Amino acid sequence: ILNVEQSPQSLHVQEGDSTNFTCSFPSSNFYALHWYRWETAKSPEALFVMTLNGDEKKKGRISATLNTKEGYSYLYIKGSQPEDSATYLCAFHNAGNNRKLIWGLGTSLAVNP
Amino acid sequence: DVKVTQSSRYLVKRTGEKVFLECVQDMDHENMFWYRQDPGLGLRLIYFSYDVKMKEKGDIPEGYSVSREKKERFSLILESASTNQTSMYLCASSLVGGAWPQHFGDGTRLSIL
Repeated sequence: ILNVEQSPQSLHVQEGDSTNFTCSFPSSNFYALHWYRWETAKSPEALFVMTLNGDEKKKGRISATLNTKEGYSYLYIKGSQPEDSATYLCAFHNAGNNRKLIWGLGTSLAVNP
Repeated sequence: DVKVTQSSRYLVKRTGEKVFLECVQDMDHENMFWYRQDPGLGLRLIYFSYDVKMKEKGDIPEGYSVSREKKERFSLILESASTNQTSMYLCASSLVGGAWPQHFGDGTRLSIL
């Protein structure tokens, strides 16, 4: 059974704090790792799709790293703002069946002003 | 701008009714997906389709069927709605043949009474 785990489950930070959370996934049959942001009352929005070991991607204050050999990815938010409050989902794209994604349960981030 | 449109944001139906959820995308994507999202369970794949008239079962297909008669439209059908199908339903689409992100609709919150 392929499993994707995210930690922590939830996080409360103050505006201006930097934060990070983790996505763990199987280290074999890797194809890609996706990160999405899901704000309340909106649809999930793709942040990054990462395919290479050692990949680092950045979008504004948000960045992500990837370690396919040990099976983890970190998402970093620098100087959190209230508008960063959302659930951050990661999803594993398995080379054995790369049509569908295996989703983590997400990390719920609340940024207090 | 890419767009995935779900026919209803909120829907209330009765037990035993046949329910249709419609999803349309304007990006000429080959892949389309139907998920349900329940608290504590994350996104679970119901069905997906990788071409017109092609479909594959996801992780929880029981009680559901799908139809893809045209490339842009993917319908989810609850054959005989039951209360345990009360949930948030999300449609997504993506390109095929690579590690492409999924693009999501706004979701349909379905209540079965």
